[in-house]
Amino acid sequence: SQTIHQWPATLVQPVGSPLSLECTVEGTSNPNLYWYRQAAGRGLQLLFYSVGIGQISSEVPQNLSASRPQDRQFILSSKKLLLSDSGFYLCAWSVKGLLRGANVLTFGAGSRLTVL
Amino acid sequence: DQQVKQNSPSLSVQEGRISILNCDYTNSMFDYFLWYKKYPAEGPTFLISISSIKDKNEDGRFTVFLNKSAKHLSLHIVPSQPGDSAVYFCAASARNFGNEKLTFGTGTRLTIIP
Repeated sequence: SQTIHQWPATLVQPVGSPLSLECTVEGTSNPNLYWYRQAAGRGLQLLFYSVGIGQISSEVPQNLSASRPQDRQFILSSKKLLLSDSGFYLCAWSVKGLLRGANVLTFGAGSRLTVL
Repeated sequence: DQQVKQNSPSLSVQEGRISILNCDYTNSMFDYFLWYKKYPAEGPTFLISISSIKDKNEDGRFTVFLNKSAKHLSLHIVPSQPGDSAVYFCAASARNFGNEKLTFGTGTRLTIIP
């Protein structure tokens, strides 16, 4: 069966410090990978998605970047955090290219980032 | 531009009654719609989906209705149980157009009153 791991679960960082959140998927190959953010009182905002190694699509101009160094690894980074980067970050994966059916995303448990 | 909208941020329903959560969308290219349930400090979990060629899909206590002309869908939960208390997100994709993204609404917090 497939599982998705995301860490760290909780992170408190000062403004201006770097960030690295990591996500790995097991039990599948060549998945679509996604990073979403849930800010306080807001919905799920898509930040980045990837359909393959080294292929990253950015949805929102921001202070963050993403990388996919391996097939089942997705990393969210920042060189200098801002207060507005605080939120709940969610990694997700889906099966690529099903001919029919909804694109069901399976989410990780999330990472709570607080920037002080 | 919020393409998927959930205009009710919260909803309270008595246990055993029907819960109806609503969602509106603006993009006519959306061809699949999904509902997710989210507990605090956890990732969302998939509940049910519907294709744009259907108007109803049912799975146990959960039924999703789609009104394509009105660009509106709703999730019905019958009967409502205390464990249904969570935030519910509506999501949409334009998969038949090669788009693998899911666009989410802002969520509705459902509280089931015992």
